[in-house]
Amino acid sequence: DPKIIQKPKYLVAVTGSEKILICEQYLGHNAMYWYRQSAKKPLEFMFSYSYQKLMDNQTASSRFQPQSSKKNHLDLQITALKPDDSATYFCASSQDGLGGREQYFGPGTRLTVL
Amino acid sequence: GEQVEQRPPHLSVREGDSAIIICTYTDSATAYFSWYKQEAGAGLQLLMSVLSNVDRKEEQGLTVLLNKKDKRLSLNLTAAHPGDSAVYFCAVSENYNQGKLIFGQGTKLSIKP
Repeated sequence: DPKIIQKPKYLVAVTGSEKILICEQYLGHNAMYWYRQSAKKPLEFMFSYSYQKLMDNQTASSRFQPQSSKKNHLDLQITALKPDDSATYFCASSQDGLGGREQYFGPGTRLTVL
Repeated sequence: GEQVEQRPPHLSVREGDSAIIICTYTDSATAYFSWYKQEAGAGLQLLMSVLSNVDRKEEQGLTVLLNKKDKRLSLNLTAAHPGDSAVYFCAVSENYNQGKLIFGQGTKLSIKP
């Protein structure tokens, strides 16, 4: 059974619209993360959460907003979508709130903005 | 901030041969080092991780070497087989207490029969 679920697997959106990427982990972890992988850049860290609190935000734009409704959920809301937002977005989690060690990744959501 | 360079970007080896991928980093305070494997269309699979107090770690045909003096991390796959074909990434964390992983650019490994 998959331990980290990301939904949807593929997502197509029009410029200017808003989408929510879903992430749920069933590893019992306390820390969760979002990363982005695009053709132009290596995997980039976006956010980290520990015990549902934002720990680090490396995303310059406020159009990206993580949402943690439950300890094992960390969704990513993206507003005013742009073609440059096209990428695969990976959710990850780790055991302890300090993070860094042994992050496990979900299968990703591939977002295409037209 | 921390910068990670990974090489080579592409690597082709024959089945049964070994493959070596190298990452260099810039921050001497880097505390955590890991390697991931990404198969086509899939997420990242954690292969191995070491802390800065470890120089060498071996598991299931994989060897990770850490040279802190040269700020170099390497992954050695011995006896490569077709299932090893994938993109490999190194990832480091600047601080033991920090969750942010900084990734290398990736190495696409192809295994020739």
